[in-house]
Amino acid sequence: KAGVTQTPRYLIKTRGQQVTLSCSPISGHRSVSWYQQTPGQGLQFLFEYFSETQRNKGNFPGRFSGRQFSNSRSEMNVSTLELGDSALYLCASSLTGVITNEKLFFGSGTQLSVL
Amino acid sequence: AQSVAQPEDQVNVAEGNPLTVKCTYSVSGNPYLFWYVQYPNRGLQFLLKYITGDNLVKGSYGFEAEFNKSQTSFHLKKPSALVSDSALYFCAVRLNSGNTPLVFGKGTRLSVIA
Repeated sequence: KAGVTQTPRYLIKTRGQQVTLSCSPISGHRSVSWYQQTPGQGLQFLFEYFSETQRNKGNFPGRFSGRQFSNSRSEMNVSTLELGDSALYLCASSLTGVITNEKLFFGSGTQLSVL
Repeated sequence: AQSVAQPEDQVNVAEGNPLTVKCTYSVSGNPYLFWYVQYPNRGLQFLLKYITGDNLVKGSYGFEAEFNKSQTSFHLKKPSALVSDSALYFCAVRLNSGNTPLVFGKGTRLSVIA
């Protein structure tokens, strides 16, 4: 079974631009979560989607948004990029996300650099 | 709100020695606790979890963790460290009820020296 796939692997953007990251969960998984990883802050929760609905949202500005499609694939978008948005963005999937002791399966991430 | 603290940014240990990576948590209720590991240029991989029952949880690669409710801790341990254990380790917590996200600590970098 294929793992969680994130594309692209690397992105370089300039301030003010916008970016879209993509995540394909493990086949059959319906919950997708997004995290931002930086050296100083560790992993910070962005949002979680289940059946095309946002179920949880972290403490990030409205420039960060996401969506989930009917095939469970998910995208996240960051508009008006700032230097501080440079980070590794990780996507994780789980079967339902409802059973709170489910483990998450992570992709390798998208490394975003904002210049 | 739930939170996790990993008090050590870096832990160094000699190969063959026991290792401990510390984690304390704060939740307003009963927790589910997790450990994940991240190798260079990779996503996170699940190591083990505590749900209920036995306070000592055994996981992958010979790792184990002990849940201590009175100290609100969930330290990761291994009796004999390997160089290949060198990685970034994350502790995480979520409430065992409701619909709350998994919250991670800032991570601890483990270096095992040959």
